[in-house]
This record gives sequence, C-alpha cells and structure tokens, in this order.
Amino acid sequence: AQSVTQLGSHVSVSEGALVLLRCNYSSSVPPYLFWYVQYPNQGLQLLLKYTTGATLVKGINGFEAEFKKSETSFHLTKPSAHMSDAAEYFCAVTGNSGGSNYKLTFGKGTLLTVNP
Amino acid sequence: NAGVMQNPRHLVRRRGQEARLRCSPMKGHSHVYWYRQLPEEGLKFMVYLQKENIIDESGMPKERFSAEFPKEGPSILRIQQVVRGDSAAYFCASLEAVAKNIQYFGAGTRLSVL
Repeated sequence: AQSVTQLGSHVSVSEGALVLLRCNYSSSVPPYLFWYVQYPNQGLQLLLKYTTGATLVKGINGFEAEFKKSETSFHLTKPSAHMSDAAEYFCAVTGNSGGSNYKLTFGKGTLLTVNP
Repeated sequence: NAGVMQNPRHLVRRRGQEARLRCSPMKGHSHVYWYRQLPEEGLKFMVYLQKENIIDESGMPKERFSAEFPKEGPSILRIQQVVRGDSAAYFCASLEAVAKNIQYFGAGTRLSVL
C-alpha cells in the first residue's frame, strides 16, 4: 500500500523567493516518485521524477527535488519563484517492483500562489 | 506526436443519463489509466487497461461505472445513471510500456451532473 502527504494545501511566496513544497510518502516497496503541475482547467504536466540512481533530480522550469529515503520525503524546490509558477502541484508515488502496475497514488495537492 | 486526447472537454448530464468519456492515448502507447479528481482532492486511481484487457479496476465504483480499451479506437469510461456525486474531472493517462514508467495525462473531461 502507498500513500502521499503534502504538507500545506496552499503556499504563498513572493516573486523571486524560494519555493519549497513538501511531500512525504509511504510505500511497502521501493518507490518511484513524481511531481506534476496542473494549471487551471488543464491536465497534469510532469515536472520531474525519481526512479533510481541520483537522489537529486532536476526537472523542467528550474524545479528540482531530492529523494531522502531516511525521511521518506521528496520535497520540491525552486530557488527563485516566477509569476508563471502559480499553479497546483501534485506529488505522486508508484511501486518500483515487478508486480507493480504503476498506478499513481497522489497527494491532495498544494496550490502555489506567487505574489508580485 | 500528438498528446493524450480526451473528449469531450466538458460534459453536462442530467441525473439518470449516461456519460461517455473518451481517451485516445499517445501514438504507440498501449496502457491507459483513468483517474478522477473531486473538488479539493487529489487524483484518485480508477482503472488500468491494456488493449482489450482490464488489468486493475480496484478504484472503480462497483456499480454504474465501466471502462474498455478496444483493439481499435479510444478507451471509453462509461458512467450509467449519473448522480450529482459523479460531478468531477476525469483524467486519462497513457504509458508506452511499464519500463518507461512515465504517464502522460490528457486535459481531462469535466463532468457536471445537474
């Protein structure tokens, strides 16, 4: 069984400030972890993913995330927020095992607001 | 390469009617997942299909909901006798192969039940 907890349903930052969106997961098998972004009335776009290997993962639009197994975390960061980053962000997990069918378990999402 | 196509984008139904949601996966993708997004909730898995086969339907309500992915044509999510609680955004995602493990999402169908 897997679950995802995103701390903070709403995060507000100033333009140019650090963005930190938190994600903790639980998984009974080694996880694959993802961050998706959703703009209003649109589908989900993949920002980045962790499967195996390097624990610091770089994604699109200047975002990155670090997989910390000991903390069961996969927090998303961006050094400097831009107005165009305003959107809803979803963390998701799936199982990394031969028996997994790779269905995603999502967190409830974090709405990021960027203030001028 | 066109992305995942879902139609219609918006669908309005009255209680008791049927809703049919269509999803055409990316070219070359033979795995399809359906997710439902209720207001102020994350996406919840509904069903996973490969061509002509339902692999995992553990997230589907036991009644009124069905899904198919025929050999030819799009995947269809069907909701019979819709109720107000079915109002949600329904997203389809496709996967080329499990080894690639990246799901690409369509723009969704927003179902409103009056």
